[in-house]
Amino acid sequence: DAGVIQSPRHEVTEMGQEVTLRCKPISGHNSLFWYRQTMMRGLELLIYFNNNVPIDDSGMPEDRFSAKMPNASFSTLKIQPSEPRDSAVYFCASSLRRGNLLETQYFGPGTRLLVL
Amino acid sequence: QQQVKQSPQSLIVQKGGISIINCAYENTAFDYFPWYQQFPGKGPALLIAIRPDVSEKKEGRFTISFNKSAKQFSLHIMDSQPGDSATYFCAASIDSNYQLIWGAGTKLIIKP
Repeated sequence: DAGVIQSPRHEVTEMGQEVTLRCKPISGHNSLFWYRQTMMRGLELLIYFNNNVPIDDSGMPEDRFSAKMPNASFSTLKIQPSEPRDSAVYFCASSLRRGNLLETQYFGPGTRLLVL
Repeated sequence: QQQVKQSPQSLIVQKGGISIINCAYENTAFDYFPWYQQFPGKGPALLIAIRPDVSEKKEGRFTISFNKSAKQFSLHIMDSQPGDSATYFCAASIDSNYQLIWGAGTKLIIKP
């Protein structure tokens, strides 16, 4: 299994530009998470999808952030317009939910975003 | 009540020594306690996890000790090796809930 795949691995952009991060979850997993990691705030859950449906987006910082999951094998996290304070490592993770139980979350390698 | 407090923030241990990282929680509804290991440039990866029906779980050199009455759990790394140098995160959740509550992380350095 290839694990969770994220692209790009690194992104440098200028303030005001649109940024799109991509994630391919592990095949067969039905739950997908987007996290943000910074030194100051640690790991923060941004949004959680189950069966391609957003269940909890309360962690999305503001309207500049949006996430979609058009099918079971692809998700995007978009920031428009980007700001320097968005600089962080963004992780996608996937898991299998069986009934009420959520199994181990497997993380991708992350996208390191720098907004100048 | 949703917090998981992790200590120390950083830890330096000599090769062959025992590394100990501690976590404390408040929410007694938590029933799943994983530890994740993160190497630089990589995503966190599950290392070992425990549920509150046991007081200890061991996998190789890694052991979780769990004290339900004190609402604390800890990770012990025996015979620590330079390859164990990484950031370790404890977490907690209610099993039926998707939300992992993360500790702040401990940067572990094993000196050769």
